[in-house]
Amino acid sequence: DQQVKQNSPSLSVQEGRISILNCDYTNSMFDYFLWYKKYPAEGPTFLISISSIKDKNEDGRFTVFLNKSAKHLSLHIVPSQPGDSAVYFCAASDATGTYKYIFGTGTRLKVLA
Amino acid sequence: DVKVTQSSRYLVKRTGEKVFLECVQDMDHENMFWYRQDPGLGLRLIYFSYDVKMKEKGDIPEGYSVSREKKERFSLILESASTNQTSMYLCASSPTTYEQYFGPGTRLTVT
Repeated sequence: DQQVKQNSPSLSVQEGRISILNCDYTNSMFDYFLWYKKYPAEGPTFLISISSIKDKNEDGRFTVFLNKSAKHLSLHIVPSQPGDSAVYFCAASDATGTYKYIFGTGTRLKVLA
Repeated sequence: DVKVTQSSRYLVKRTGEKVFLECVQDMDHENMFWYRQDPGLGLRLIYFSYDVKMKEKGDIPEGYSVSREKKERFSLILESASTNQTSMYLCASSPTTYEQYFGPGTRLTVT
C-alpha cells in the first residue's frame, strides 16, 4: 500500500521551460512534505519543504505547491536547466514526532539542452 | 556542512555472510536512519534510531538488525545475506527538525 505516489516515472523537458513533478498521498495525517534530488551514485540532497499550514513555498527556481483537499503536491522548476536532470523524490511525514518519512518512488527528470 | 559518511561505496558479499554497513555523521544529530533504494520502489525505511541504544523498526526490517552504541555511528547488520538484499543502502541523519541528510550510499551485491 503505497501511501506516497509519484505516478510519472520519468519526465523530459526542454531547457528554459517549466518542469512540474507531481506527488499524491493518501494519509490525511501527513503534515510535512519534502522534496529531494538524487544524482546517480550519490545520496539524495534536500531541495525544499512545505508544512501543511501553507499551500506554497518558494526557493529560487523551485516552488512547491500543496493542495491538502486533493492530497496532492507538486514541485515546479522554472527555468529548467540541464543540471536539474536527476531523480526527484517526494517524502511525507505525519505529526507523530518521530521524523520518520514515507518516500515516493521517484520521478526521473531529464532536461534537454 | 553536515557530513554523513558510509564505510563502503561498493560491496560484494556471498549468500549467508554476515554483513556490516557503517554510517557516521559529524553533526551531533539525534536521529539516524537506514533506507534501501530499489528501482520502482523508491526509498524504504529499514530501521531508525532517535537516541543512543534506541532503535525502531521501519517498514522493511526483516533480515536486518542495527546497532547504535555511539551517537555519531549507526550500523546496519545483515545477519545472513541473501540475494534479495542486493540493493543500494542509504544512511541519513537529522537533528530534531525535519530535514534528513543522506550519505553517498553503499551498493551491495549479494551473490
